[in-house]
Amino acid sequence: EPEVTQTPSHQVTQMGQEVILRCVPISNHLYFYWYRQILGQKVEFLVSFYNNEISEKSEIFDDQFSVERPDGSNFTLKIRSTKLEDSAMYFCASSLARSTDTQYFGPGTRLTVL
Amino acid sequence: GENVEQHPSTLSVQEGDSAVIKCTYSDSASNYFPWYKQELGKGPQLIIDIRSNVGEKKDQRIAVTLNKTAKHFSLHITETQPEDSAVYFCAASGYGASYDKVIFGPGTSLSVIP
Repeated sequence: EPEVTQTPSHQVTQMGQEVILRCVPISNHLYFYWYRQILGQKVEFLVSFYNNEISEKSEIFDDQFSVERPDGSNFTLKIRSTKLEDSAMYFCASSLARSTDTQYFGPGTRLTVL
Repeated sequence: GENVEQHPSTLSVQEGDSAVIKCTYSDSASNYFPWYKQELGKGPQLIIDIRSNVGEKKDQRIAVTLNKTAKHFSLHITETQPEDSAVYFCAASGYGASYDKVIFGPGTSLSVIP
């Protein structure tokens, strides 16, 4: 069964450093998403991406965040200057169609900012 | 924006008993309601979903009900097994404030006691 994959599984970084989290969505999916989950809290939407541009973003997704689809298979989330409060699980998801189509989630990247 | 509430936050049941998790949503424009199961260290996995044109859906031991008028939806797990132990998230998506994203509830930690 096709699945969303993410690398790395765990990333440790120093405050102020840039990190790039990588995702490979399901191959025929057209819509891509990033969510985050702070330990013990709910999963929160960050951004949605379609046709090489952001279609929606939350208030969490400020100028320190960016997303890119550099080739036909990868989807990345960059945090330019990490803060302690960026420590969380980051989940990538993809869907075939928009909005009311099922979003399939990857296993997540645990980001720890020291 | 859309807000999804979920109760209870923790639930313990004996193996073989039923478990019920209840959710409410605020945006009447939402029309797609997925349920995700999250095991420790993993991403959310879709277990069942329901759309607003349907009042009930069943898949083996799992069933969901939706009351659009009251903006309530529920997950029912019958004949629970230890492997059902996980965190369960209800969610809402669709049009209005939840367009292009999945809005998650805070989660229910289910423990099935052998």
